[in-house]
Amino acid sequence: EVQLVESGGGLVQPGGSLRLSCAASGFTFSSYWMSWVRQAPGKGLEWVANIKQDGSEKYYVDSVKGRFTISRDNAKNSLYLQMNSLRAEDTAVYYCARVGGITGTTWFDPWGQGTLVTVSS
Amino acid sequence: QSVLTQPPSVSGAPGQRVTISCTGSSSNIGAGYDVHWYQQLPGTAPKLLIYGNSNRPSGVPDRFSGSKSGTSASLAISGLQAEDEADYYCQSYDSSLSEVFGTGTKVTVL
Repeated sequence: EVQLVESGGGLVQPGGSLRLSCAASGFTFSSYWMSWVRQAPGKGLEWVANIKQDGSEKYYVDSVKGRFTISRDNAKNSLYLQMNSLRAEDTAVYYCARVGGITGTTWFDPWGQGTLVTVSS
Repeated sequence: QSVLTQPPSVSGAPGQRVTISCTGSSSNIGAGYDVHWYQQLPGTAPKLLIYGNSNRPSGVPDRFSGSKSGTSASLAISGLQAEDEADYYCQSYDSSLSEVFGTGTKVTVL
């Protein structure tokens, strides 16, 4: 069974840092692009970042560029999101998702259960 | 900063057919990029419902169907059931090098 399990969320003060992890199982992790998608409380979905199979290409939504870093460890079947200079507007449930399809027509399937990040003083 | 617009809500009685629109622009749907749809049941993670405009993943009932034309796409749910009550999101790619989601639509079964 394909499974994605996020961890690392919690309460952090504005300006602080947090590192999210996503443990993948049930598929060949190194063969897929991976993504982080977030959802603010009561709001819609927002794509955050993508990373290529070997980590050589990374893309980010403008609002997190320079603050967030996506990375992966294929030996550990793990995806990460290092979040620095956190702001109140970064408060959200962060989902890890596997990317399907090819460039220009990619979708997210499956999704993890999500981990809540709360940025507040 | 959703660039794909959906109606906030749609509703229908059990057994009826409802449709959800997803309107984009020439930089995303109108540029030829495919549209995908997700269902998010209350308190759960999103689930892929339709990919590549009209394809259903294994296990998704054929009551769900998708289509795309010009700068818009649509999701139709026929034979509406109580278990279909959820939030639905469209998603596509934008030429600004980003994945984009729709604003989301809440489906209510009357």
